[in-house]
Amino acid sequence: EDKVVQSPLSLVVHEGDTVTLNCSYEVTNFRSLLWYKQEKKAPTFLFMLTSSGIEKKSGRLSSILDKKELFSILNITATQTGDSAVYLCAVDTSGTYKYIFGTGTRLKVLA
Amino acid sequence: NAGVTQTPKFRILKIGQSMTLQCTQDMNHNYMYWYRQDPGMGLKLIYYSVGAGITDKGEVPNGYNVSRSTTEDFPLRLELAAPSQTSVYFCASSYRGRRTGELFFGEGSRLTVL
Repeated sequence: EDKVVQSPLSLVVHEGDTVTLNCSYEVTNFRSLLWYKQEKKAPTFLFMLTSSGIEKKSGRLSSILDKKELFSILNITATQTGDSAVYLCAVDTSGTYKYIFGTGTRLKVLA
Repeated sequence: NAGVTQTPKFRILKIGQSMTLQCTQDMNHNYMYWYRQDPGMGLKLIYYSVGAGITDKGEVPNGYNVSRSTTEDFPLRLELAAPSQTSVYFCASSYRGRRTGELFFGEGSRLTVL
């Protein structure tokens, strides 16, 4: 059965800290891995990763994929209170046309 | 620039009532999905569609039905509502071809069954 596991489940840090969120997966027919940020409402897209070793960056956020070890990490440097959210990882599978989501990591950044 | 539009945003149902959550997208995406999200949990796939006229079950389809008569619309029907269906429902769409795009979400519909 396809599964996506995120860790830690929750995290509390102070502003300025750096955090690393983990996403591991076991799926057949891997196509891509996506990261989303969810605040009060719908998830908003952060990154899509398809190739190993290529880092995606957007401001203070960056992410990388390891297709051999079947995991991805999302790094947030110099965290701000606005980074407080649930971060969701999803894997796109080509065989079943589905996106499989992890349970998310709840990040709280204290001022 | 509408994207994915869901209605209603909030609804309270009594046990045994039925209702339809509407979802429409204007991006000409071929794939559409319905997810539910329970408090503190990730997204569970209810149903999905790979194109007009084609639908398939996800992880948690019991108690729901869908149809896809057009590319744009993908309504979710709840028959005989139960308290276990209290949740936030998200409709999403994506384009899948040789390259796959991201999944776009609607704003969500919060449903309470009492």
